[in-house]
Amino acid sequence: GQQVMQIPQYQHVQEGEDFTTYCNSSTTLSNIQWYKQRPGGHPVFLIQLVKSGEVKKQKRLTFQFGEAKKNSSLHITATQTTDVGTYFCAGYNFNKFYFGSGTKLNVKP
Amino acid sequence: DAGVIQSPRHEVTEMGQEVTLRCKLISGHNSLFWYRQTMMRGLELLIYFNNNVPIDDSGMPEDRFSAKMPNASFSTLKIQPSEPRDSAVYFCASSSGQGTGANVLTFGAGSRLTVL
Repeated sequence: GQQVMQIPQYQHVQEGEDFTTYCNSSTTLSNIQWYKQRPGGHPVFLIQLVKSGEVKKQKRLTFQFGEAKKNSSLHITATQTTDVGTYFCAGYNFNKFYFGSGTKLNVKP
Repeated sequence: DAGVIQSPRHEVTEMGQEVTLRCKLISGHNSLFWYRQTMMRGLELLIYFNNNVPIDDSGMPEDRFSAKMPNASFSTLKIQPSEPRDSAVYFCASSSGQGTGANVLTFGAGSRLTVL
């Protein structure tokens, strides 16, 4: 079946360092979405990428969708303690969402 | 808009007891998803409905789990009898097939279940 792999599983950074998480799908996706889950919270939608090669920015966050629409990345520049949480990618096809396993980000002040 | 509303937020029960989790969708959303989250297995899709009809229940662990959507705005997930390995956070999420935010999930706050 369709799978979305996400790496790394954990990332510990010093505040101010950059952070990147990667997703790779076994099949081509209609779109890919990113969600953030704060500790003890629920996943919250961040962004959706639809077009091949698309790049979107939200302040210090940069999201990319691969040319083949099978991989994606989220890059955070100069992390802050407020970035702490688990970041999930979710590939979307035919009204189904295929979640990656998430990358848990810890930021040391 | 009040968002996706789940109840109860926390439930502690004993093995063998019946558990019912409830979810109220966002008005206008027509798809509902039940997820289970554990440290070991991450986010698992249990079942999803589209226009009140169950479309894919392949993630439902076993016959002890059942889900219903009696109307367009409400769903229940029932576990009977419950077992300690059912302990997890259960999330309900809804989405709309059209308009702003189409095909994007809005999650409820989750129901944390502990089965002793």
